[in-house]
Amino acid sequence: QQQVKQSPQSLIVQKGGISIINCAYENTAFDYFPWYQQFPGKGPALLIAIRPDVSEKKEGRFTISFNKSAKQFSLHIMDSQPGDSATYFCAVSGNTPLVFGKGTRLSVIA
Amino acid sequence: DAGVIQSPRHEVTEMGQEVTLRCKPISGHDYLFWYRQTMMRGLELLIYFNNNVPIDDSGMPEDRFSAKMPNASFSTLKIQPSEPRDSAVYFCASSFGGVNTEAFFGQGTRLTVV
Repeated sequence: QQQVKQSPQSLIVQKGGISIINCAYENTAFDYFPWYQQFPGKGPALLIAIRPDVSEKKEGRFTISFNKSAKQFSLHIMDSQPGDSATYFCAVSGNTPLVFGKGTRLSVIA
Repeated sequence: DAGVIQSPRHEVTEMGQEVTLRCKPISGHDYLFWYRQTMMRGLELLIYFNNNVPIDDSGMPEDRFSAKMPNASFSTLKIQPSEPRDSAVYFCASSFGGVNTEAFFGQGTRLTVV
């Protein structure tokens, strides 16, 4: 059973547009919800993370929206740029190590 | 700090051979994780250590896999004997202060078993 479900699998966005990636989880014990970004040939790197005591966190063009009652969280990338083209993973953690979603391959086209 | 360092970056080996992957975590980090990434299964946790002690190895696929952490600055993941289905990218990651904090990943070892 997947502990976290991520969608979509792939996403194509025009330069300057908004990219939105969603994740849903089941276990209410999770208390750490990060998003990781991975470029080809590299390891995943933390992009932004949220704890369940807030509903939104913004860092530059990247925003996490968190809906505790729906057990969902999403990543919004504003003004998407070609350099944002990468694979994005949501993850969840409580008292166990990070469990990752299957990933979303984002392509930002000019 | 140079980050998490893994070696080798690429490994090609024949089926049945022993493979050893190496990891140097970030100095001062007290948690170390080994993950495996494949197209089909994504990023899977294999095993993790806290203060050099293995805490959970339930993700290790078979007895052919073993991991050690002899000291705070070094860990190995060994596969013996290797099989073609072990082909994947293996990542080591480390964190400080807990499992629900930022994990810093190495660049990975791409393993190909032929």
